[in-house]
Amino acid sequence: AQKITQTQPGMFVQEKEAVTLDCTYDTSDPSYGLFWYKQPSSGEMIFLIYQGSYDQQNATEGRYSLNFQKARKSANLVISASQLGDSAMYFCAMRGRFGAQKLVFGQGTRLTINP
Amino acid sequence: DGGITQSPKYLFRKEGQNVTLSCEQNLNHDAMYWYRQDPGQGLRLIYYSQIVNDFQKGDIAEGYSVSREKKESFPLTVTSAQKNPTAFYLCASSPGTGRQPQHFGDGTRLSIL
Repeated sequence: AQKITQTQPGMFVQEKEAVTLDCTYDTSDPSYGLFWYKQPSSGEMIFLIYQGSYDQQNATEGRYSLNFQKARKSANLVISASQLGDSAMYFCAMRGRFGAQKLVFGQGTRLTINP
Repeated sequence: DGGITQSPKYLFRKEGQNVTLSCEQNLNHDAMYWYRQDPGQGLRLIYYSQIVNDFQKGDIAEGYSVSREKKESFPLTVTSAQKNPTAFYLCASSPGTGRQPQHFGDGTRLSIL
């Protein structure tokens, strides 16, 4: 079974600083995908970034990058130059068994950006 | 604009009542999903469907039912057997290929009267 662990219930960061949100995972599948989503207080889930288990390079999307360490089974999200609008819940998720496309979510980290 | 529409935004259920949450997508996605989110928690999968007229139970299917008669629609019924239905319900869809993310609707908040 797949499992996602996010050990930081809450993070507080000063505006313009970089922040790293931790995510560790457990799976026996050789092929898997890792996703990060942002959930503002309004509730919608916004896709941020994806990393495939066989991708040669760490994924980047604008201010978001993924620090993927396969041997350690970690997929940490790095947000550079944080902004007030980055305040939200952040979820790490893993795609399950290939073909089913189910996502297993972690408990989330609440990020607060202070001015 | 393509997207996923969930309705209603807020829903109230009386004791012993079944309620149905609507989810419609115009993204032409094959797969659709229903998740439940409790306060301060992650999402848990209720049901999913990879193709019309077929669906599978997720991790917490008890007390819920679904149908998938059309590609665009995947309604969720919360039955009276679900004893703790108060939660935030999110519908999602995906093209069904590995790298593509799931796209989510804006959610429905269900409460008990």
